[in-house]
Amino acid sequence: AQKVTQAQTEISVVEKEDVTLDCVYETRDTTYYLFWYKQPPSGELVFLIRRNSFDEQNEISGRYSWNFQKSTSSFNFTITASQVVDSAVYFCALSEEETSGSRLTFGEGTQLTVNP
Amino acid sequence: DTGVSQDPRHKITKRGQNVTFRCDPISEHNRLYWYRQTLGQGPEFLTYFQNEAQLEKSRLLSDRFSAERPKGSFSTLEIQRTEQGDSAMYLCASSETGVATNEKLFFGSGTQLSVL
Repeated sequence: AQKVTQAQTEISVVEKEDVTLDCVYETRDTTYYLFWYKQPPSGELVFLIRRNSFDEQNEISGRYSWNFQKSTSSFNFTITASQVVDSAVYFCALSEEETSGSRLTFGEGTQLTVNP
Repeated sequence: DTGVSQDPRHKITKRGQNVTFRCDPISEHNRLYWYRQTLGQGPEFLTYFQNEAQLEKSRLLSDRFSAERPKGSFSTLEIQRTEQGDSAMYLCASSETGVATNEKLFFGSGTQLSVL
């Protein structure tokens, strides 16, 4: 069975600091997909990134970057020069093969607070 | 607004009453998902549809829960004989199937259910 662990329940930083959110996953499948979603106070989950298990290249999108390491089953998310608007709950999620549809298994989330 | 729409946003009911929630997915999306999220936790998968066919149900979906998507467009989730443990945010999401697999999900803002 698949499992996603986000060990950091809450993180608090001061604006402009860099912050890394950790994600460790478990799966028996060789083909799987990893996601990060952001949930602001409004409640709607916002997609940030999707990565398949065969693509271990790190990705950068503006102030966001993701480090995928299959050897440690981790998919960590870094925000550079954090801003107050980054304050939200961030979820890492795992989806196994297409036969499961796009059913996601979520971690418990990390509450990020960026203080001015 | 072309996003996923859920109605109502909030529902307060007494234990033992039946409640029904509605979800309107993004119009060209043929997959629709229901998730449940309790405070401080990540969303948990309940069920999903491909067009009008309900393809998978979680064991979390007891026989008091029923979901339909009669014409492959909007969906309803009904909870009969509500219990206090049903209090949660009920999230709907949609995705499209195409060449890419395990596509990202687009989430609605959810229906917050409180059972008194």
